[in-house]
Amino acid sequence: DAKTTQPNSMESNEEEPVHLPCNHSTISGTDYIHWYRQLPSQGPEYVIHGLTSNVNNRMASLAIAEDRKSSTLILHRATLRDAAVYYCILSATGTASKLTFGTGTRLQVTL
Amino acid sequence: GAVVSQHPSRVICKSGTSVKIECRSLDFQATTMFWYRQFPKQSLMLMATSNEGSKATYEQGVEKDKFLINHASLTLSTLTVTSAHPEDSSFYICSARETRGQETQYFGPGTRLLVL
Repeated sequence: DAKTTQPNSMESNEEEPVHLPCNHSTISGTDYIHWYRQLPSQGPEYVIHGLTSNVNNRMASLAIAEDRKSSTLILHRATLRDAAVYYCILSATGTASKLTFGTGTRLQVTL
Repeated sequence: GAVVSQHPSRVICKSGTSVKIECRSLDFQATTMFWYRQFPKQSLMLMATSNEGSKATYEQGVEKDKFLINHASLTLSTLTVTSAHPEDSSFYICSARETRGQETQYFGPGTRLLVL
């Protein structure tokens, strides 16, 4: 599986936008980019995913670089409930694809 | 959104006993389910891929005879930890992917196992 690189931790103030970066320089043409987040003592929660184009949903936006070697998860207005570990994961296309979790980015949100 | 449940949410058992954990997709059918394990302050580690009606595929280093997986229906997969020992104490999490072949996996809330 192609690997991803994320900062270990980031901090943000509440109500401000947060940009969480992810590098995936060895991504293949058919790899999807997934973002999940995990709150303490809970299972991961799906955030967003994309292949080539930028994606928006009610939770976040995903900006994918033109060469697809990096992407950025954007939380438009961070709240205290967004404090979690955010995982950027690549998976191959197809029903047999599996997710390999790295260490993720621990996001702290302060008042 | 798609919902995945796990039962029980936490279990305490004596060393040597077996524990069964259920994973259910509540509002969708899942041909494929996945089982993960997470130790404190570590990331999720995939244990096995569970396919409905066939044998599970285990990751390297995971003992298939110790972690028995059954995926008898499109909405239920079970993980049985046989002859549990204290080192098996962990947070077990399942995920499910819709049969329609969507790329998204939906995760259960996890089961915390403590073996005394």
